[in-house]
Amino acid sequence: DGGITQSPKYLFRKEGQNVTLSCEQNLNHDAMYWYRQDPGQGLRLIYYSQIVNDFQKGDIAEGYSVSREKKESFPLTVTSAQKNPTAFYLCASSPRQRPNTGELFFGEGSRLTVL
Amino acid sequence: GENVEQHPSTLSVQEGDSAVIKCTYSDSASNYFPWYKQELGKGPQLIIDIRSNVGEKKDQRIAVTLNKTAKHFSLHITETQPEDSAVYFCAASTPPRDTGRRALTFGSGTRLQVQP
Repeated sequence: DGGITQSPKYLFRKEGQNVTLSCEQNLNHDAMYWYRQDPGQGLRLIYYSQIVNDFQKGDIAEGYSVSREKKESFPLTVTSAQKNPTAFYLCASSPRQRPNTGELFFGEGSRLTVL
Repeated sequence: GENVEQHPSTLSVQEGDSAVIKCTYSDSASNYFPWYKQELGKGPQLIIDIRSNVGEKKDQRIAVTLNKTAKHFSLHITETQPEDSAVYFCAASTPPRDTGRRALTFGSGTRLQVQP
């Protein structure tokens, strides 16, 4: 089945450690996105990528890094510089249509808890 | 940049009643307004969307209305059922020629509970 796979589903990390969240899609979509979800704050954009080897900062990029070496993959690294990393992280993709008019397809999310 | 506000944050209705969720946006250039439904433990899924050249769109029990002058749009669910219980998000997007941004801005979400 085509879709977006995020892993791990749950992750615990000690303060000061970097952690990488995986996002893989087999939908042949050009664009991929990372959102952070906190209670009462909706979905906030961390990074997005419209094409391989290119990505742009979203609204809350500080303390995060991404790469887009392959079309199918868009991993997110939560670095020790992120002050409040405990959150639910959602990866999404969309076909490269007229900008901003295509449906986003979301993965099932990764819940990161910093101990 | 674009700012989307969503109300109410929680909504409880009796099965069979209607539910209405409202959103306002700040950027008059925004031209695409989708609604997503997120069930517990899952990622959001698109349920309906509307573009700025249309005032209303309906899909079975779900409808969305858009008032461009007032910069607000609403989701209407009629004859609610327990399986409608979820978190609903509105979103808006602005053409990238204005901002260079090619992504949606989401509202803060509404938790809808349909009581049997």
